[in-house]
Amino acid sequence: QSVLTQPPSVSAAPGQKVTVSCSGSTSNIAINYVSWYQQLPGTAPKLLIYDNNQRPSGIPDRFSGSKSGTSATLGITGLQTGDEADYYCGTWDSSLSHVVFGGGTKLTVL
Amino acid sequence: QVQLQESGPGLVKPSETLSLTCIVSGYSISSGYFWGWIRQPPGMGLEWIGGIYDGGGTYYNPSLKSRLTISLDTSNQFSLQLRSVTAADTAVYYCARVGGYCSGINCPDSYFDPWGQGTPVTVSS
Repeated sequence: QSVLTQPPSVSAAPGQKVTVSCSGSTSNIAINYVSWYQQLPGTAPKLLIYDNNQRPSGIPDRFSGSKSGTSATLGITGLQTGDEADYYCGTWDSSLSHVVFGGGTKLTVL
Repeated sequence: QVQLQESGPGLVKPSETLSLTCIVSGYSISSGYFWGWIRQPPGMGLEWIGGIYDGGGTYYNPSLKSRLTISLDTSNQFSLQLRSVTAADTAVYYCARVGGYCSGINCPDSYFDPWGQGTPVTVSS
């Protein structure tokens, strides 16, 4: 069971918007930075968002991140079939003294 | 462009030591940053293993610490040794550059970019 809680799956139609939630606690999300990763089938994870809401160079602005209290959210607008992937949130847990990840959310673009 | 590539045996026997190397190109690991390992069991999520700073300081997942050594090697690479492996250590192992910072025993800003392609390791007799 993961320290961070994500919905197992989300879905939406092409062109629509979807959000992926990541719920944590006062020892992780509330006080540390959150990052988000996209894992396309059969490939390594790729950084989408770091420092809660920053996009690395080359990541389109269709992807956004936010944080409030003990929860974080990844938003994806203008959905494309190529966005079908597993999405993971991650952060440091100051009580456990290590990086923790969510269990992952599978995005289906209908 | 920074690239990472894992290498090591794909099959390890139970109770033996798993040894992996991450070869870094496009950036000198002695120039800074934190370098880490993450694994993903089949069909499951990500688990942070640990990492090492360019100066040699290490941060380990407490659940693996007693079996784990991460070290900086020559020729711009770093390595992982996991002792006394069991079937539960079967996973795809990734290396990555770690952005952000650590302060004391905490690393409040830790993110992984870029990642290696991953290497599958099976623990079986």
